[in-house]
Amino acid sequence: DSGVTQTPKHLITATGQRVTLRCSPRSGDLSVYWYQQSLDQGLQFLIHYYNGEERAKGNILERFSAQQFPDLHSELNLSSLELGDSALYFCASSVQLDKQFFGPGTRLTVL
Amino acid sequence: AQTVTQSQPEMSVQEAETVTLSCTYDTSESNYYLFWYKQPPSRQMILVIRQEAYKQQNATENRFSVNFQKAAKSFSLKISDSQLGDTAMYFCAFIRINNDMRFGAGTRLTVKP
Repeated sequence: DSGVTQTPKHLITATGQRVTLRCSPRSGDLSVYWYQQSLDQGLQFLIHYYNGEERAKGNILERFSAQQFPDLHSELNLSSLELGDSALYFCASSVQLDKQFFGPGTRLTVL
Repeated sequence: AQTVTQSQPEMSVQEAETVTLSCTYDTSESNYYLFWYKQPPSRQMILVIRQEAYKQQNATENRFSVNFQKAAKSFSLKISDSQLGDTAMYFCAFIRINNDMRFGAGTRLTVKP
């Protein structure tokens, strides 16, 4: 158990819908990272927040947005969902750049 | 651009033997970190080992060790005394200061009894 929690574990929705994925970092970790892992592919970095501020942006679509709240939990919002958005979405947290701890992931299925 | 290349999509090894997974990366930076992550069938991402670029000494963690060749931009993972529980996807990853983590495409390792 990494100490990072993600909810929900599984999410099934239809094209065109909007969903919110939630991540609670390990106690004391100020950084939260979001990654997308499509089927049989490596991980793609989406976005990084540090203490509520956006620090880096990767290959995140305009339909996707994220935020980190004062209690340090983070949410990833995915809208106008397409079939290709089906993936495993990971959240990771860290207090130091060189040690990211990953949550169990949220599996999103878009039908 | 920073890229991470894992040239071995699949590998297999007999239990108790040693296997080496390859990784090369491309960067113009001098200060960065390299990682190997393991992803078993449960899909959980587990940190196996990490290496700071400014350290010449190769990192080791029990049965796992790396061969870090900074000039060649190579970062291979050696697994000694392979165990059935080592069966997983292994991802090489790279991160530099104030930047995103880049992952390789992964190597699927199967440990055979």
